[in-house]
Amino acid sequence: GQQVMQIPQYQHVQEGEDFTTYCNSSTTLSNIQWYKQRPGGHPVFLIQLVKSGEVKKQKRLTFQFGEAKKNSSLHITATQTTDVGTYFCAGYSSASKIIFGSGTRLSIRP
Amino acid sequence: DAGVIQSPRHEVTEMGQEVTLRCKPISGHDYLFWYRQTMMRGLELLIYFNNNVPIDDSGMPEDRFSAKMPNASFSTLKIQPSEPRDSAVYFCASSLGTSRGQYFGPGTRLLVL
Repeated sequence: GQQVMQIPQYQHVQEGEDFTTYCNSSTTLSNIQWYKQRPGGHPVFLIQLVKSGEVKKQKRLTFQFGEAKKNSSLHITATQTTDVGTYFCAGYSSASKIIFGSGTRLSIRP
Repeated sequence: DAGVIQSPRHEVTEMGQEVTLRCKPISGHDYLFWYRQTMMRGLELLIYFNNNVPIDDSGMPEDRFSAKMPNASFSTLKIQPSEPRDSAVYFCASSLGTSRGQYFGPGTRLLVL
C-alpha cells in the first residue's frame, strides 16, 4: 500500500542553525501538505503544494515539491526557539488516500 | 469563528466500557477526519467523511471502532468495548475540500485502564 516516509525522526540543533525534513512517498501524490504540532498541542496547517517542482516560502520556511511529485521537503533557515515542535507532511493520492508521515521532532538549544 | 470543537477533552475509563468521542467541525467545511495519535504509531487517519458520507474507513483498527456523521455539524467516534491499547489522543479535523488544509480540534486524551 501507499507509504509516506519522513526523515529524520528527530533533529536537535543549535539556535540559528538550519533544519530540513524530508518526505518520500511510494506513489505519486496529487498534493502534499505540511503541518506543525507544538508539544501538547494539535497539528496546525502550514502550507499545501500541488504543482510538480513547486517551491513556496513563508518567512524562514521553504517548502519544495519534487518534480515527480513523490517527495517533498521543508527547510527552516536560522532556527528560533519558536520553531520547536514536530513537523508532519501529509500526502494526498489520486485514489483519495491521505497518509501522514511519521513526523520530524525538532528541538533547539538556545 | 470557533474552530473544531471536540468533547470530552479528557476521558478515563475502564477496559470494557463504551467510549464516545464527539466532534463539531467548522461550519461550512465538507470534509471531516478522525485521527489517532500515539508515540508508537504516530498520527493515524482512522476515517474521513465527505458531505457526511464515509469515504475511507480503511484506517479503522477493528470492529470495536465505529464512526458516524448524522449531519454536517456533528460526528462521533465510538469504541465498544474499549481496551487499554486504545489509549491515545484522538483528533478530529475538518476542511473545505481536499485542496485546502485541515483544521484540527484540540483532541481528546483517552486513557483506558
